[in-house]
Amino acid sequence: DQQVKQNSPSLSVQEGRISILNCDYTNSMFDYFLWYKKYPAEGPTFLISISSIKDKNEDGRFTVFLNKSAKHLSLHIVPSQPGDSAVYFCAVQSTGANSKLTFGKGITLSVRP
Amino acid sequence: EAQVTQNPRYLITVTGKKLTVTCSQNMNHEYMSWYRQDPGLGLRQIYYSMNVEVTDKGDVPEGYKVSRKEKRNFPLILESPSPNQTSLYFCASSLVPGSGYTFGSGTRLTVV
Repeated sequence: DQQVKQNSPSLSVQEGRISILNCDYTNSMFDYFLWYKKYPAEGPTFLISISSIKDKNEDGRFTVFLNKSAKHLSLHIVPSQPGDSAVYFCAVQSTGANSKLTFGKGITLSVRP
Repeated sequence: EAQVTQNPRYLITVTGKKLTVTCSQNMNHEYMSWYRQDPGLGLRQIYYSMNVEVTDKGDVPEGYKVSRKEKRNFPLILESPSPNQTSLYFCASSLVPGSGYTFGSGTRLTVV
């Protein structure tokens, strides 16, 4: 059963506007929630994370929101830039013996100039 | 430069011919892991290692082996590759949970 769901496969946004990428998860026991960005022919790059004890984390143009009661995570990019065009994966992580990342299937963001 | 280095980047092989994909990190990270990426499935963990000589299975370990004899290296071994192991493979390392893994650039493997 899929533990992390990114239900929209793609999103297209005008440059300068806000991009909102959504992610839902099924298990309330995760400790960290992360976003990764991936360009073609490159490995995923860590973007931003949030721990389960917080509901918001901000880093420059990127803000991640966590709604634990809804088991929902979102990434806001403001303002969006053409260089943000990539595949974005959300991931969840538990501490402990295996700090593995469980990924969603990804969403392709296209920022139009 | 802090990085995870995988080799080779591209590999085409035949069914049953043993191969090794190397992974090395220069950040003194304790955690290392292998993932595979397949269309429509995202990234799935194959094996992970908490430290030297400590390894364990991830979600899709069948057909793979790993070893962790040194902290910096974590090779992925396919003893008898099959076409269903055709995939894009990523090695990753992390210092502490929640800080995010650093990924290598990937190895695209094709088994014919």
